[in-house]
Amino acid sequence: DIQMTQSPSPLSASVGDRVTITCRASQSVSRWLAWYQQKPGKAPNLLIYKASSLESGVPSRFSGSGSGTEFTLTISSLQPDDFATYYCQHYNSSSLTFGGGTKVELK
Amino acid sequence: EVQLVQSGAEVKKSGESLKISCKTSGYSFTTYWIAWVRQMPGKGLEWMGIIYPGDSDIKYSPSFQGQVTISADTSIRTAYLQWSSLKASDTAIYYCARQGPVGAIGYWGQGTLVTVSS
Repeated sequence: DIQMTQSPSPLSASVGDRVTITCRASQSVSRWLAWYQQKPGKAPNLLIYKASSLESGVPSRFSGSGSGTEFTLTISSLQPDDFATYYCQHYNSSSLTFGGGTKVELK
Repeated sequence: EVQLVQSGAEVKKSGESLKISCKTSGYSFTTYWIAWVRQMPGKGLEWMGIIYPGDSDIKYSPSFQGQVTISADTSIRTAYLQWSSLKASDTAIYYCARQGPVGAIGYWGQGTLVTVSS
């Protein structure tokens, strides 16, 4: 099975900071990688799919990059609403594997 | 509007059986995969399995194979997750979710909290 590893966790940051979260796959997943944001008590929300495509309605300060085994989620200028936990996920025709999550907290 | 509405919270004892549901609307039920995802208290997201209601093709995560059963009823556009014998370690929030055309999960249910006491 493919394993997804996120770093760092947690991540301490301030409003206005540029924030980068890394996700590494144990083997190549091409660009079949999504990013989700989850706030306490809520279901996750899709931010990025196919490694770098921004989901409709998601602010443009979120961006994704990478392919193969290394991916990043970048928040260009952290806003108060962005303090949450972020998950990467590999998906293919037979599995959906999540990373362990990165909690973005106030420094 | 795509909606996934899950059944309500459950409190059960170890050894009991349980079936929770995910009723969908707003899209063609038979042409999208539906996933079940577990979130244990204070922990991350774990994929349990996926079902394609169109032909009932089901794929389980190795971690959950044999532990749960996933099914769907196309006549009422509803997916199910069931246990034959619950354990205290099954205490968690369970989400159903719909995969989109490129595979990522664009729509989620509100979650069902299952509490199992020993």
